[in-house]
Amino acid sequence: AQKITQTQPGMFVQEKEAVTLDCTYDTSDQSYGLFWYKQPSSGEMIFLIYQGSYDEQNATEGRYSLNFQKARKSANLVISASQLGDSAMYFCAMREGPMGGKLIFGQGTELSVKP
Amino acid sequence: GAVVSQHPSWVICKSGTSVKIECRSLDFQATTMFWYRQFPKQSLMLMATSNEGSKATYEQGVEKDKFLINHASLTLSTLTVTSAHPEDSSFYICSANFAFPGTGGGEQYFGPGTRLTVT
Repeated sequence: AQKITQTQPGMFVQEKEAVTLDCTYDTSDQSYGLFWYKQPSSGEMIFLIYQGSYDEQNATEGRYSLNFQKARKSANLVISASQLGDSAMYFCAMREGPMGGKLIFGQGTELSVKP
Repeated sequence: GAVVSQHPSWVICKSGTSVKIECRSLDFQATTMFWYRQFPKQSLMLMATSNEGSKATYEQGVEKDKFLINHASLTLSTLTVTSAHPEDSSFYICSANFAFPGTGGGEQYFGPGTRLTVT
């Protein structure tokens, strides 16, 4: 069975610095997708970045980048130049199989950005 | 981008009553929708997969008679919490699968969530 693990319940980062949020996964499938979502206190799920299992290059979206290490089964999120508005819960998720399939979420990491 | 709405955004009900939550894809058709539940400070847990025109597929441990899911059209799925109890108080989030034309693939878009409080 697939599994997603986020081992950092909470993280602090100074404004303007970079921070890495850890995510490891376990699956027996060859085709899968990895996602990161941000959930502010309002509760909405905001899509940040996606990495497909066959993508050779690490995904990047603005200040977000995904450090994909397939052999180690890790998909860490790197946020550069942290902003106060980045304070939120961050969830790593995995989808097995075709796009549009169900997602399994990690436990989440609460990020706090300090001024 | 694809927009998914949920109604109501929050609801308070008395123990023993039933509550219906709607999930709508506003600008696309969704053959598949998903329902998640999230307790405070916890992760999203998938409850069921809702397929238009057929019965929902429930995850292990989710009571299908308590959480009734109906996907009557390509733009609407409903979750009814029957005989609600305080332990059902939670944040319920739906997502809808947007299918990319001609590719067989798709992506999920999330609704804003519904906060249910059972007193």
